[in-house]
Amino acid sequence: KNQVEQSPQSLIILEGKNCTLQCNYTVSPFSNLRWYKQDTGRGPVSLTIMTFSENTKSNGRYTATLDADTKQSSLHITASQLSDSASYICVVSVKGSNYKLTFGKGTLLTVNP
Amino acid sequence: GAVVSQHPSWVICKSGTSVKIECRSLDFQATTMFWYRQFPKQSLMLMATSNEGSKATYEQGVEKDKFLINHASLTLSTLTVTSAHPEDSSFYICSAKTDTSTDTQYFGPGTRLTVL
Repeated sequence: KNQVEQSPQSLIILEGKNCTLQCNYTVSPFSNLRWYKQDTGRGPVSLTIMTFSENTKSNGRYTATLDADTKQSSLHITASQLSDSASYICVVSVKGSNYKLTFGKGTLLTVNP
Repeated sequence: GAVVSQHPSWVICKSGTSVKIECRSLDFQATTMFWYRQFPKQSLMLMATSNEGSKATYEQGVEKDKFLINHASLTLSTLTVTSAHPEDSSFYICSAKTDTSTDTQYFGPGTRLTVL
């Protein structure tokens, strides 16, 4: 069964600190992996996308890594800001089957001043 | 570019009534649109996939007679929750793809439905 597991479920950090969110998946066949940011009461917004051959991808203060062998990904947030408070969702795309997406439950990040 | 809008952003209705939610791709033509439902602290769950001009494909466990989906044009899809009940209260999110060769979905801002 295709699954995406994220950890931790929630995380509280102080403004300016760094943090790393984890994602493990069992999706096969793998097409790509995305990290989304979802503010409360809003739709998800794409942060990064990585295919099988990509190990790392950055978008400003967000850096995602992918280890396709161990089927793990991480999202590192540098110098966190209050506006980073949101849910971060790991989404894996299944090759074929009309590219169906498998969503993780997300990590709820709270950045406190 | 690739903006998807939803209307309304929130709606409160009485049990037994029907509610229609619109999803529009504002600056691109969407060959495929998706409807998701998200309960608090849960991940997005795909309800159905709709291609313009054809019947929607519903995921297992989703009642097609309760959740009516119409994708009449390349920029508009609607989800109608018929005879809504309190358990239908949820956050409904649509997404759209530009063509079948990509898996990139652009998400709308969501619609919060509360059924009293």
